[in-house]
Amino acid sequence: DAGVIQSPRHEVTEMGQEVTLRCKPISGHDYLFWYRQTMMRGLELLIYFNNNVPIDDSGMPEDRFSAKMPNASFSTLKIQPSEPRDSAVYFCASSPRRTGGTYGYTFGSGTRLTVV
Amino acid sequence: GDSVTQMEGPVTLSEEAFLTINCTYTATGYPSLFWYVQYPGEGLQLLLKATKADDKGSNKGFEATYRKETTSFHLEKGSVQVSDSAVYFCAHEGGTSYGKLTFGQGTILTVHP
Repeated sequence: DAGVIQSPRHEVTEMGQEVTLRCKPISGHDYLFWYRQTMMRGLELLIYFNNNVPIDDSGMPEDRFSAKMPNASFSTLKIQPSEPRDSAVYFCASSPRRTGGTYGYTFGSGTRLTVV
Repeated sequence: GDSVTQMEGPVTLSEEAFLTINCTYTATGYPSLFWYVQYPGEGLQLLLKATKADDKGSNKGFEATYRKETTSFHLEKGSVQVSDSAVYFCAHEGGTSYGKLTFGQGTILTVHP
């Protein structure tokens, strides 16, 4: 398996522009997670899905952020409009059926977003 | 609420030195515990895990024991290598965080030759 695939690896955009980050989870994994990593705040869970349904989006910073999972093999995280404080590394992770944590997560390589 | 607290870094060691990175947690019930490692420019990788009290997780010379009485899961390695330089994250899943991982803030480890 190719693992969790994220694209793009790097994104530089101007303030006010729309940004879309993409994630392909591991086939057969029912859980998908979006995390944001910054020096100041560490790793923050933004949202997670189970069987394509959003379960907990309490970590989404504000209405400028939205996430979708139209099918089991694809998810997007969109920021509109983007702001410099959104600059961070965004990680996607997937996991098999909820098992009490036995398997942990598999992370993608991340998207480094820079908003100028 | 559920949380994970890690020893603050950065930690700098010489090759072959002994490593300990402390981790304590707060959670209801019996969470599963994890250590993840992040090498520069990469995503997090699962290093080891333990799912119940007194379990010892081990991988690549690293070990951690699930201590329920002290709510701890300290990471240890007897002899570190330069290639171990990375950021290490402690995490738990369970209790009120069932189905999602709660991470500590990460500890930067640098090993010099």
